Amino acid sequence: NAGVTQTPKFQVLKTGQSMTLQCAQDMNHEYMSWYRQDPGMGLRLIHYSVGAGITDQGEVPNGYNVSRSTTEDFPLRLLSAAPSQTSVYFCASSTYRVTRNSPLHFGNGTRLTVT
Amino acid sequence: TQLLEQSPQFLSIQEGENLTVYCNSSSVFSSLQWYRQEPGEGPVLLVTVVTGGEVKKLKRLTFQFGDARKDSSLHITAAQPGDTGLYLCAGARGSSNTGKLIFGQGTTLQVKP
Repeated sequence: NAGVTQTPKFQVLKTGQSMTLQCAQDMNHEYMSWYRQDPGMGLRLIHYSVGAGITDQGEVPNGYNVSRSTTEDFPLRLLSAAPSQTSVYFCASSTYRVTRNSPLHFGNGTRLTVT
Repeated sequence: TQLLEQSPQFLSIQEGENLTVYCNSSSVFSSLQWYRQEPGEGPVLLVTVVTGGEVKKLKRLTFQFGDARKDSSLHITAAQPGDTGLYLCAGARGSSNTGKLIFGQGTTLQVKP
């Protein structure tokens, strides 16, 4: 099983450029989310979705947009990249209720540098 | 303000030593998970604890959820170099439990042979 697939693995952007980070899962999970990971900060939730057509903001949503047109895909869009968005981005999925039998499954991350 | 405080943030020990990592909060969580992350990869779930006072063992790793469900600990016995990695605790709040986890800052563990 592929699980959660993120592309690209690495990306360098210039300030003001836009891009989309792709995330796809093949486990038929209702819940998908985007986190960013910065040194000493752990993982911080950007946006999440509990099903197709439903999205909501997390802890640090500013500067990011998401949409969920299908169960499988949950892209993250940066409309105008800023150096403060330099980070490692992780996409994750799970069944709707995170229980001991339904962990959060993470992709391998996208390392983004904004110059 | 970090809702979940992990300590220590860095730990470097010799193979065979024991260690404990703490995850503390002033908030109550409906469940708490521990993840381990290796360089270049995403976090992988180790365990989920749900009941206050619950203790779960995974080989040499022992996880405990506080009685009030506000804190948790991870104890590793006789650490090995293969235990090296970033350990993250994550709490879920509320009975609806959409899976919106709150993560601690992480504890970087280095076990030297």
